[in-house]
Amino acid sequence: EAQVTQNPRYLITVTGKKLTVTCSQNMNHEYMSWYRQDPGLGLRQIYYSMNVEVTDKGDVPEGYKVSRKEKRNFPLILESPSPNQTSLYFCASSLEASSSYNEQFFGPGTRLTVL
Amino acid sequence: DAKTTQPNSMESNEEEPVHLPCNHSTISGTDYIHWYRQLPSQGPEYVIHGLTSNVNNRMASLAIAEDRKSSTLILHRATLRDAAVYYCILRRGGSNYKLTFGKGTLLTVNP
Repeated sequence: EAQVTQNPRYLITVTGKKLTVTCSQNMNHEYMSWYRQDPGLGLRQIYYSMNVEVTDKGDVPEGYKVSRKEKRNFPLILESPSPNQTSLYFCASSLEASSSYNEQFFGPGTRLTVL
Repeated sequence: DAKTTQPNSMESNEEEPVHLPCNHSTISGTDYIHWYRQLPSQGPEYVIHGLTSNVNNRMASLAIAEDRKSSTLILHRATLRDAAVYYCILRRGGSNYKLTFGKGTLLTVNP
């Protein structure tokens, strides 16, 4: 089944404890992206990747890192999480980055709480 | 990306058609109109997209005004599983396939 998977689905952690949220897609998509969703603010893009070894900042990259060593994986890294990073995170992928009509596939989400 | 305007909420009865409007008066000639929906506790899901002509797929129909300044997502027979937030998004080709989500329309389907 074609899908985007994220792990963990739920995570409660404490301020400053490094964590990684994994994202994997099995559709051979070039483009991958991370969003966060907060009440009243909608979904906002954190980072994106056009292809392997090519990543760039989205609208709200502060406090996050990403890497794209393999086409299928795009982990989101929080080196020193803070309470304002408590949010619902979605990973997404698309066949190509430059096309304006390709649909984007989203993962099921990771609910992160930073105490 | 150009801005879209949608009603905050709409209500429908099960088995009846639903017309979800979207205004996008600043749309440019190369903007595609995309619709996504987000069911409770799930990630957004692609519904349909179009450029100029009306479009149909297994989930819905998309009616685009002749001047392209508005569009309507049509669910032909609403079911309880269609209760979700529906987002109308304009997508311009470029180097970052970012989707700019607004607040969307919360659709409630009554049994």
